Amino acid sequence: DGGITQSPKYLFRKEGQNVTLSCEQNLNHDAMYWYRQDPGQGLRLIYYSQIVNDFQKGDIAEGYSVSREKKESFPLTVTSAQKNPTAFYLCASLPGSKVTEAFFGQGTRLTVV
Amino acid sequence: GDSVTQMEGPVTLSEEAFLTINCTYTATGYPSLFWYVQYPGEGLQLLLKATKADDKGSNKGFEATYRKETTSFHLEKGSVQVSDSAVYFCALIRGDSNYQLIWGAGTKLIIKP
Repeated sequence: DGGITQSPKYLFRKEGQNVTLSCEQNLNHDAMYWYRQDPGQGLRLIYYSQIVNDFQKGDIAEGYSVSREKKESFPLTVTSAQKNPTAFYLCASLPGSKVTEAFFGQGTRLTVV
Repeated sequence: GDSVTQMEGPVTLSEEAFLTINCTYTATGYPSLFWYVQYPGEGLQLLLKATKADDKGSNKGFEATYRKETTSFHLEKGSVQVSDSAVYFCALIRGDSNYQLIWGAGTKLIIKP
């Protein structure tokens, strides 16, 4: 079945560490997105990519980095520069060639310990 | 710029009550409109969608009608259940080549038995 897979589901990070969250899709979608969600809050866009080897900053890109070397993969690195990384992270994808719904992964909950 | 405004939550109802969650939008062109649902600790799932004016999306007893004259896409259900407790997000995608998702802030729904 096609879908988006995020891993790990839970991730713990020590202060000063970089961590990478995985997002893989087998839907053949062009566009992929990373969102951050804090408790009781909506979605805030971190980065998005509409084509391989290209990506753009969203509203809260500081302290994060991404890459898009393959169409199916869009990993997010939370760097030590992100001062408050504890949150729920969601990856999504869109076909990019037509207007249709976005598909989401199950999310990664990142906690700083 | 484009935007989506949802009624603030939480919305608390008794089981079998009638539900309305308001959603209005501002967008250029002819956007497609969506309602997503998020259960605790999970990603977002598409609940229903409408791609043109006067379309009605429906799923699992929920309905929403795309009203261009009032720029609204209110979510309704005739008789809610405890299992409907979740966070509901209204969203739009513009109908041009810029496939940007615009999200509402989300509305938490609590159904009491």
